[in-house]
Amino acid sequence: SAVISQKPSRDICQRGTSLTIQCQVDSQVTMMFWYRQQPGQSLTLIATANQGSEATYESGFVIDKFPISRPNLTFSTLTVSNMSPEDSSIYLCSVESTGTGDYGYTFGSGTRLTVV
Amino acid sequence: AQKITQTQPGMFVQEKEAVTLDCTYDTSDPSYGLFWYKQPSSGEMIFLIYQGSYDQQNATEGRYSLNFQKARKSANLVISASQLGDSAMYFCAMRENTGFQKLVFGTGTRLLVSP
Repeated sequence: SAVISQKPSRDICQRGTSLTIQCQVDSQVTMMFWYRQQPGQSLTLIATANQGSEATYESGFVIDKFPISRPNLTFSTLTVSNMSPEDSSIYLCSVESTGTGDYGYTFGSGTRLTVV
Repeated sequence: AQKITQTQPGMFVQEKEAVTLDCTYDTSDPSYGLFWYKQPSSGEMIFLIYQGSYDQQNATEGRYSLNFQKARKSANLVISASQLGDSAMYFCAMRENTGFQKLVFGTGTRLLVSP
């Protein structure tokens, strides 16, 4: 399975500022997925990032608030812009696992964001 | 649009007993995959088991098995011989095998295993 390094693992940010989260994968992958997990909730897909094209956002998420970069097949960033306390969540990146018989999706360890 | 439903917010089980976590799904795509993930308090997402829509046999992985009833659109996770370390959130998820093949999650079930 792919191994994902996600940074930072946690941060406390002032409202109105922005935070950029990075995910580095140890192998080339076509698509990377970004999720948000609000406190006590399930994972909600923010967007799908395809290398060489603009990310595709899910309903309720917009590029101005969550700009995504995907400069190559092993790296992506998600920025949470103009933050408010409602953005306090865990943010996770994910890729589809590869390899014979390996059907799962691999997740980064998550970024625990607190906005004050 | 795909939808995953987990109706059990919390489940309790005694150590060494078996427990079933429910999951139903809805999709119009004939080809899809069903997944279960475990999320301990540390927050990491741990892949447990996968079932493809065309798989004839129910998936098994060690103490985990998936009770797949296609006509009922259910994919329940069975954990046999529960251990204290099984206490965690469990998420059912589905992927339609078209488009971006994104994973959509249910609301989760919190499992507590008692001694």
